[in-house]
Amino acid sequence: SAVISQKPSRDICQRGTSLTIQCQVDSQVTMMFWYRQQPGQSLTLIATANQGSEATYESGFVIDKFPISRPNLTFSTLTVSNMSPEDSSIYLCSTRDRAAGELFFGEGSRLTVL
Amino acid sequence: SQQGEEDPQALSIQEGENATMNCSYKTSINNLQWYRQNSGRGLVHLILIRSNEREKHSGRLRVTLDTSKKSSSLLITASRAADTASYFCATDAVGGAGGTSYGKLTFGQGTILTVHP
Repeated sequence: SAVISQKPSRDICQRGTSLTIQCQVDSQVTMMFWYRQQPGQSLTLIATANQGSEATYESGFVIDKFPISRPNLTFSTLTVSNMSPEDSSIYLCSTRDRAAGELFFGEGSRLTVL
Repeated sequence: SQQGEEDPQALSIQEGENATMNCSYKTSINNLQWYRQNSGRGLVHLILIRSNEREKHSGRLRVTLDTSKKSSSLLITASRAADTASYFCATDAVGGAGGTSYGKLTFGQGTILTVHP
């Protein structure tokens, strides 16, 4: 199993600012994903972070708003740009070491936008 | 309705009782997974059942899968106060070349389970 560290664990941000969330995995993994969980809701996939190429975004999510980097097989970042109160959510990094296997999650980054 | 709908949305029981949660989905799947989330933290994988399996056990957990009805259930037996959490089903849809999964899971809305001591 993979151990995933996310930073920051929580933050309070001002409207209009941007915040970058880091995800560090203790081993090389093929697949990395970023999910959003709005208050009281389920998880929604934002994008698949691809190593060495542009992320693959799900419907409703765009690169300008959620730029993602993945420079290697153990690290990724998600930036939430030009934040508004509607972006207040828990953002979760997850990995999968093989297709049709389980997901491993970080502890999440809880963002509150004022 | 969405892939991975669950019911009930909330379940409140006494310690020692069994808890059953249900999940319905719409597309063909490779497998269905159940996860647990404690109070806004990261999710923890509980159990995975493949599309060719009908029932699976892990400790106090029992999962069933009915692909003809596109539904699954999670049973927690002899519940404990520490089982209090949100439980999510997630489907691994068939897709891509050769019918293999392209890696992403789709999560249901979740069931909030409260176990009273």
